[in-house]
Amino acid sequence: NAGVTQTPKFQVLKTGQSMTLQCAQDMNHEYMSWYRQDPGMGLRLIHYSVGAGITDQGEVPNGYNVSRSTTEDFPLRLLSAAPSQTSVYFCASSYSRSGQGFYEQYFGPGTRLTVT
Amino acid sequence: KQEVTQIPAALSVPEGENLVLNCSFTDSAIYNLQWFRQDPGKGLTSLLLIQSSQREQTSGRLNASLDKSSGRSTLYIAASQPGDSATYLCAVHGQNFVFGPGTRLSVLP
Repeated sequence: NAGVTQTPKFQVLKTGQSMTLQCAQDMNHEYMSWYRQDPGMGLRLIHYSVGAGITDQGEVPNGYNVSRSTTEDFPLRLLSAAPSQTSVYFCASSYSRSGQGFYEQYFGPGTRLTVT
Repeated sequence: KQEVTQIPAALSVPEGENLVLNCSFTDSAIYNLQWFRQDPGKGLTSLLLIQSSQREQTSGRLNASLDKSSGRSTLYIAASQPGDSATYLCAVHGQNFVFGPGTRLSVLP
């Protein structure tokens, strides 16, 4: 099992450019999510998905789009990058247990994004 | 809206000490609480998960407790080692997952 993988590891963008951060998991988990981590702010939820074809917004969704066409993949798209989107981005996945919500989260290694 | 806080923000202890990290949350309607470790520049490693129906979980030198009614969890680290130096994060799973800001731990040799 590769677990949760993310590409790229590092990326530098210019303001206004677009790009897609890739996330994949091979554990057949229903739940996938994207977080950003900023100094002093902790991890904040951007978007999440509870299954293929189902996505929803988290705490800080503005400027980001997601889609979930397969169970395995959950890409995060930056439509027009801004310096405020400079951050470390983490993807996570989890599975459900009947009546107990989603179980423990597994995290990818992160993508460090700089927007100049 | 769920809010999660962690005390202390930073902690520095000599090797061998037993220590306690605290996590508080405002909404007790949760499914579970998870403790993570994060090394500088790295991702998150899951340490322990406590279901809402459980009072504690243990793994090696780590013990996590949960008091859902008072909105508190503690992570107890026994006989701390320099290799335990990292940031420790708690995450509460209610309607969604909400993270605390973390406790930065330094264990001095």
